[in-house]
Amino acid sequence: ELKVEQNPLFLSMQEGKNYTIYCNYSTTSDRLYWYRQDPGKSLESLFVLLSNGAVKQEGRLMASLDTKARLSTLHITAAVHDLSATYFCAVDKSGGTSYGKLTFGQGTILTVHP
Amino acid sequence: NAGVTQTPKFQVLKTGQSMTLQCAQDMNHEYMSWYRQDPGMGLRLIHYSVGAGITDQGEVPNGYNVSRSTTEDFPLRLLSAAPSQTSVYFCASSSMGSNQPQHFGDGTRLSIL
Repeated sequence: ELKVEQNPLFLSMQEGKNYTIYCNYSTTSDRLYWYRQDPGKSLESLFVLLSNGAVKQEGRLMASLDTKARLSTLHITAAVHDLSATYFCAVDKSGGTSYGKLTFGQGTILTVHP
Repeated sequence: NAGVTQTPKFQVLKTGQSMTLQCAQDMNHEYMSWYRQDPGMGLRLIHYSVGAGITDQGEVPNGYNVSRSTTEDFPLRLLSAAPSQTSVYFCASSSMGSNQPQHFGDGTRLSIL
């Protein structure tokens, strides 16, 4: 059974600081996704990571994937208040040419303070 | 494009009642999924479809039925509602190709009394 674990689950940051969210998963997969969710809202796709060593950046967020360690990281650089949200990683366990059977981590609630 | 549309947005049911949560997408996506979101547990896959006429169970399928008669629609049926099914339900769709993320609807907030 695929398990996906995020840490930390709660993260309180000061504006301007850097921090990393970790996503570990238990079985082999080369498809990992990061999503953002604002309170009471839907999920917004941030990154799609498909191969070992993949790195993607968008603004103050950078995501990476190490398939051998079964680890993905979401790095936040110089945090701003607008980044306050819940961040989820999800691993696709479909396999082969099938897609879309995602197993999600518990989510990391990020709060950025002035 | 409307994307993924879920109805209703809110619903209150009594234990034992049945209902159908609607999900429609206008992006011609092959893959559609239903998830439930409970506090502290992330999202968990209920049922899944790879195309019209093809469905499969996810992690927590008990108490739910699905069918997919068209590419666009993927309704989720609660057969006999129980308080444990109080949750936020999200429908998602994606196209073929691992580089395509799932697109999520706005969710249905369901309370079972």
